[in-house]
Amino acid sequence: DIQMTQSPSSLSASMGDRVTITCRASQGISNYLAWYQQKPGKVPKLLIYAASTLQSGVPSRFSGSGSGTHFTLTISSLQPEDIATYYCQTYNSAPRTFGQGTKLEIK
Amino acid sequence: DVQLVESGGGLIQPGRSLRLSCAASGFSFGDYALTWVRQAPGKGLEWVGFIRKNAYGATTDYAASVKGRFTISRDDSKSIAYLQMNGLETEDSAIYYCARDVRVSGGYYYMDVWGKGTTVTVSS
Repeated sequence: DIQMTQSPSSLSASMGDRVTITCRASQGISNYLAWYQQKPGKVPKLLIYAASTLQSGVPSRFSGSGSGTHFTLTISSLQPEDIATYYCQTYNSAPRTFGQGTKLEIK
Repeated sequence: DVQLVESGGGLIQPGRSLRLSCAASGFSFGDYALTWVRQAPGKGLEWVGFIRKNAYGATTDYAASVKGRFTISRDDSKSIAYLQMNGLETEDSAIYYCARDVRVSGGYYYMDVWGKGTTVTVSS
């Protein structure tokens, strides 16, 4: 099975900061990588698929990049509504493993 | 609006069985695969398994942690997917979400719409 490792596990940042979350796959997954946002007490929401394609309706301050084994999710200017836990997930094979999550907090 | 609504959760004793339902609306249910994901209290997301659409044989894949105990099925006439859970263990306690799958080239799938989830608590 492919293992997905996110870093950091938690992150504290200020409003307006540029925030980057990293996700590494234990083997190459091409660009079959999605990012999900889960706000406290809420349902996960798809942000990005195919490593870099923004889901419809997602603000343009979110972006994704990477291919193979190394991926990043970037928020260009942190907003209060971005406080959430972020998960990466591979979907190039079963099981579709999630990363352990990155909890983003306000400094 | 595209909507998925899970139901059937509750408190159940270890070793017993439970069936969850995922009712879909707002889209052509039969054209999509469906996935189940769970989240134990205070923990991350865990992919449970999925079922392809009937045109692909309604075949299924499961996580190792549930394989042989859980079964996913679908009834396209009712736009409902099911998660049959047998031999429940305390470690199966979680919120169970169903999600719609988008198929991409190569036969791979990612989830684009999620239901609100239903809570399963396995305890004596």
